[in-house]
Amino acid sequence: EAQVTQNPRYLITVTGKKLTVTCSQNMNHEYMSWYRQDPGLGLRQIYYSMNVEVTDKGDVPEGYKVSRKEKRNFPLILESPSPNQTSLYFCASSTTGTYYEQYFGPGTRLTVT
Amino acid sequence: GDSVTQMEGPVTLSEEAFLTINCTYTATGYPSLFWYVQYPGEGLQLLLKATKADDKGSNKGFEATYRKETTSFHLEKGSVQVSDSAVYFCALSSGGNKLTFGGGTRVLVKP
Repeated sequence: EAQVTQNPRYLITVTGKKLTVTCSQNMNHEYMSWYRQDPGLGLRQIYYSMNVEVTDKGDVPEGYKVSRKEKRNFPLILESPSPNQTSLYFCASSTTGTYYEQYFGPGTRLTVT
Repeated sequence: GDSVTQMEGPVTLSEEAFLTINCTYTATGYPSLFWYVQYPGEGLQLLLKATKADDKGSNKGFEATYRKETTSFHLEKGSVQVSDSAVYFCALSSGGNKLTFGGGTRVLVKP
């Protein structure tokens, strides 16, 4: 089954404690992206990757890091989480030819206290 | 920069009612327009798209027409079902790989 998986689905943590949210896709997609979803703001792009070892900032990259060492994986790293990073996070992937048809993971709800 | 504005929800309807969700956009050039749907507890799914003016996208009984003159892409469905309860996002792309999303509109359909 074609899918994008994220782990964990739910996470409660404290300010300053480094964390990683994993994302993996099994569709051999070149393009992967991270979004955060906040009420009334829709989805905002954090980082994206066009292919292995190629990443770039989206609209709200501050406080986040990413890496793309393998085509299937695109982890999101919060080196020092803060309460304003409490949000619902989505990973998505697509082919570069049909970038608009992005396949989304189920989401990770993060709470930073 | 690009932006998408959607009507705020929630929109509450009875089954078999007519649904309209308004969406207007600001963009440079001639963007492609999309509607995504998010069912409870899930990620977003592409519902329909239109890539040029006057195109009509349709899927699952939903329709939206790309209106360049009014910079709009309103979503409609003639007869909603309880299973249509979800959050609907309008989005655009001006090129490249970037999607710009609206704030989302929650729709609740009651039996």
